[in-house]
Amino acid sequence: GQQVMQIPQYQHVQEGEDFTTYCNSSTTLSNIQWYKQRPGGHPVFLIQLVKSGEVKKQKRLTFQFGEAKKNSSLHITATQTTDVGTYFCAGEDSGYALNFGKGTSLLVTP
Amino acid sequence: DAGVIQSPRHEVTEMGQEVTLRCKPISGHNSLFWYRQTMMRGLELLIYFNNNVPIDDSGMPEDRFSAKMPNASFSTLKIQPSEPRDSAVYFCASSLILGTGLGEQYFGPGTRLTVT
Repeated sequence: GQQVMQIPQYQHVQEGEDFTTYCNSSTTLSNIQWYKQRPGGHPVFLIQLVKSGEVKKQKRLTFQFGEAKKNSSLHITATQTTDVGTYFCAGEDSGYALNFGKGTSLLVTP
Repeated sequence: DAGVIQSPRHEVTEMGQEVTLRCKPISGHNSLFWYRQTMMRGLELLIYFNNNVPIDDSGMPEDRFSAKMPNASFSTLKIQPSEPRDSAVYFCASSLILGTGLGEQYFGPGTRLTVT
């Protein structure tokens, strides 16, 4: 079945540094979603990418979907302490379920 | 909108006891998902309902787990008998599926289950 791998598992940055997390699927995806989970909280939807090569921005966050629709990335410019949390990608291939990656836990120190 | 509601928020039980987790999805949503989250295994889909009908239960660990959705506004996940390895945070999520794609999922606050 489809597997979604996410790297790195953890990232510790100084406030103001950039951060990137990468997501790779074993199969071609119909779309990919990104979620953020704050410590002790629940996953919250950030964005969905559908088209090959799609790039979307939300303020300091940039999301990309690969040309082959098998990989994706989330880049945060100039991190802030409010960016702390775990970022998950979730790939959909058949319309039956989202397969979540293990997530990248981001720690930002001031 | 109150969002997805889950109860209880915390549950501590002894091995062998029955545990029932409850979920009220967002009104108007037609799909409901039960997930389990642990440090080791991450976020795993257990079962997915569409229009109250189970579509995919391949993630349900074993026969000790069962889920029902008797109507559009209520679902339960039952574990009987419970075991220590069932300790995890259980999330319920709902979405509105229109045509293709599973749509944006709204997660509840989760139930933290501890089985001793």
